[in-house]
Amino acid sequence: EVQLLESGGGLVQPGGSLRLSCAASGFFFSNYAMSWVRQAPGKGLEWVSSINGDAINTYYADSVKGRFTMSRDNSKNMLYLQMNSLRAEDTAVYYCVKDQSGYSFGYFDSWGQGTLVTVSS
Amino acid sequence: ETTLAQSPAFMSATPGDKVSISCKASQDIDDDVNWFQQKPGEAPTFIIQEATTLVPGIPRRFSGSGYGTDFTLTIDNIESEDAAYYFCLQHDNFPLTFGGGTKVEIK
Repeated sequence: EVQLLESGGGLVQPGGSLRLSCAASGFFFSNYAMSWVRQAPGKGLEWVSSINGDAINTYYADSVKGRFTMSRDNSKNMLYLQMNSLRAEDTAVYYCVKDQSGYSFGYFDSWGQGTLVTVSS
Repeated sequence: ETTLAQSPAFMSATPGDKVSISCKASQDIDDDVNWFQQKPGEAPTFIIQEATTLVPGIPRRFSGSGYGTDFTLTIDNIESEDAAYYFCLQHDNFPLTFGGGTKVEIK
């Protein structure tokens, strides 16, 4: 059974940093692309970033480019999102999401339960 | 960037109804649209891929249609458990973009 367990969310001041982690299990992690998708309170879904299975390519939404860095450690089955220069508009539940293959994106077949990031003074 | 205009934003249905949700893309994206269902307090679930293909395990009352710029999610004989938000997603190009969502209420 696929399991994705996010951690690292919390309250942070504007301009601060947080590092989200996602522990993956139940599948051969390095074979699959992964993504982060966020959802602001009471709002819709917003794609944040994606990385392919071998970590060669990473893609970002314009709203986070230059501030967020996505990475993965295939030896540990871990996915990360380093978030710097946080803004109030980054407040959201952040979902760790698995794709159907190593190089496809948007076929989000498994989702974690999410971790809440609140940016506020 | 490809934007997706999803409509309606809200709809109310009676069990047994047939409902349709529209998703219109700002440019031609072939069949590169996926649909997701999100029930209150839960993470989204993948229900339709490549515009028309039902994801395994999803009830057959769900179906998708469309190509190019106009896409539709249809729920036949809707049930109370289908009360949820529904989102379309385009994966034709980066950045990936979601539609604004449709809340489906069951009376």
